[in-house]
Amino acid sequence: EDQVTQSPEALRLQEGESSSLNCSYTVSGLRGLFWYRQDPGKGPEFLFTLYSAGEEKEKERLKATLTKKESFLHITAPKPEDSATYLCAVQPLSGTYKYIFGTGTRLKVLA
Amino acid sequence: EAQVTQNPRYLITVTGKKLTVTCSQNMNHEYMSWYRQDPGLGLRQIYYSMNVEVTDKGDVPEGYKVSRKEKRNFPLILESPSPNQTSLYFCASSSRGDTEAFFGQGTRLTVV
Repeated sequence: EDQVTQSPEALRLQEGESSSLNCSYTVSGLRGLFWYRQDPGKGPEFLFTLYSAGEEKEKERLKATLTKKESFLHITAPKPEDSATYLCAVQPLSGTYKYIFGTGTRLKVLA
Repeated sequence: EAQVTQNPRYLITVTGKKLTVTCSQNMNHEYMSWYRQDPGLGLRQIYYSMNVEVTDKGDVPEGYKVSRKEKRNFPLILESPSPNQTSLYFCASSSRGDTEAFFGQGTRLTVV
């Protein structure tokens, strides 16, 4: 069964304290892996798409990496405005175009 | 401005009273989708549509219907809502089935 697991569930960091969020997935072939950011009361906002193992993408303080079994979202020197829930989603390589989301990591960055 | 618009934002209804949540996008996207978000369960896909008149089930389609008669609109229909459909609903669209999705603001539905 296709599955996505995110860890940790919640993370508190001091401003400037770098860390990583994990997204482990089990799918029979991967079409793509997506990272989104969600602020309270709002819809998810797209961050990155990764399509193949070894791929990396960066945007400001965020860097996403992908292996055959997991993806990491690295946050370098976070700021309070990075506080949000970070969601990972995978799209299996089966004939359909379904998405499977993890339950997210709630990040709180303290000033 | 490129956007996905859902209406209503908030809705309280009674069990069994049919309702429709509308979703419209102005980006000429092929792919549209509906999700529900529940605490501890995350976002779960209800239905998706690859193009006009093409729809398919996600992971939790029971109790929901959709239609895609026009490219820009993808309404979610609850024919006979029940309390277990109380949730936060999101509509999303993307240019293709495997590209970044743009999400609406969400619809908070309460069924009593």
